[in-house]
Amino acid sequence: DIQMTQSPSSLSASVGDRVTFTCRASQDISTWLAWYQQKPEEAPKSLIYAASYLQSGVPSRFSGSGSGTDFTLTISSLQPEDFATYYCQQYDTNPYTFGQGTKLEI
Amino acid sequence: QVRLQESGPGLIKPSETLSLTCAVSGASVSSGNFYWTWFRQPPGKGLEWIGYFYYNGRTNYSPSLKSRVTMSIDTSKNHFSLKLNSATAADTAVYYCARGGIIPVLWGQGTLVTVSS
Repeated sequence: DIQMTQSPSSLSASVGDRVTFTCRASQDISTWLAWYQQKPEEAPKSLIYAASYLQSGVPSRFSGSGSGTDFTLTISSLQPEDFATYYCQQYDTNPYTFGQGTKLEI
Repeated sequence: QVRLQESGPGLIKPSETLSLTCAVSGASVSSGNFYWTWFRQPPGKGLEWIGYFYYNGRTNYSPSLKSRVTMSIDTSKNHFSLKLNSATAADTAVYYCARGGIIPVLWGQGTLVTVSS
């Protein structure tokens, strides 16, 4: 299975900050990478697919980049509703594995 | 507005079959070229992809679960279902159904299934 490693595991930040999350794949996945946001007791929400394409309705302060094995998710200016856990997922090879998540805290 | 709602037994015994349905409202389960996907999340842990049922009937399951999993669509009931045979405590999780492309955009709220004697 392709292993997805996210860093850091948790991150403290403030409203208005710019934050970057990192996701590394154990092998080349091209740009077959998605990012999700999950708030407590809620279903995940898809933010980005194909490494850098925003899902419809996702604010433009979210952006994704990367290809191959190294990927980043950036939030340009944190809003109060952005505090959540963020997961990356590769969908290059079955099983479509997730990273362990990065918890973004105030 | 299209909505998904998971339902099924919240508690099953080891070795029993975990059976969940995902009711679709606001749209037909047979319309559109969608992937219908199941995920799960053990309490306090991360997400796991279980597999999908593509609109044309093609399925793709996680190898670790493939021998125990069946996904299907029932157009008469307008729902999408998951069956997982021979459940163990390791299958205890919140189960989510989802619709969209391979990366789904529409999710159900999730349902907790506990496997315990």
